[in-house]
Amino acid sequence: DIVMTQSPDSLAVSLGERATINCKSSQSVLYRSNNRNYLAWYQQRPGQPPKLLIYWASTRESGVPDRFSGSGSGPDFTLTISSLQAEDVAVYYCQQYYSTPPTFGQGTKLEIK
Amino acid sequence: QVQLLQPGAEVKKPGASVNVSCKASGYTFSSYYMHWLRQAPGQGLEWMGRINPRGGGISYAQKLQGRVTVTSDTSTSTVYMDLSSLTSEDTAVYYCARGPADYYYMDVWGKGTTVTVSS
Repeated sequence: DIVMTQSPDSLAVSLGERATINCKSSQSVLYRSNNRNYLAWYQQRPGQPPKLLIYWASTRESGVPDRFSGSGSGPDFTLTISSLQAEDVAVYYCQQYYSTPPTFGQGTKLEIK
Repeated sequence: QVQLLQPGAEVKKPGASVNVSCKASGYTFSSYYMHWLRQAPGQGLEWMGRINPRGGGISYAQKLQGRVTVTSDTSTSTVYMDLSSLTSEDTAVYYCARGPADYYYMDVWGKGTTVTVSS
């Protein structure tokens, strides 16, 4: 199974500041035949199910604010929140879907400083 | 709007089985895969398996092979997950989640069913 490792485990950022979460896969999730990275990001607010933010490493899901962006390729990826809002307090997960079983990072807890 | 409706909670004794339903609405049921995932208290997300309602193709996590069964009923747009031989380690929130055919990411999630295994 592909192991997904996120850093940091927790993060405190001031309102309006940038938040950056990293994700590293144990093997590349770039499928060379279509040049796509099989990587998604989810947000899970307390007491709620996960919500899809980003897929194909950088494609924002419909309705997701443009302050959320995804980047990276191969084994190294980043989720960036450009200007933190109070409603962004949550745990964020990366997930690879390059191979079965799909696997998730351990999560990064984002709080307000 | 797209919705996945799950029951709120189940309580089971060790050794028993649990059956969790997931009723879909607001989209063409057979055009998307349905996945099952779980989240133990305070823990991360674990994929359990998925079904293709069109044709019935199924894939399970190797860890749960032999204990988990996923079925679908296209007449009612409902997917079921059955987990047998329950232990306390199966205590978790169980989610159904829709995903595009052929790709294993999940774009719509149910609210989850809390399954508690306790004697």
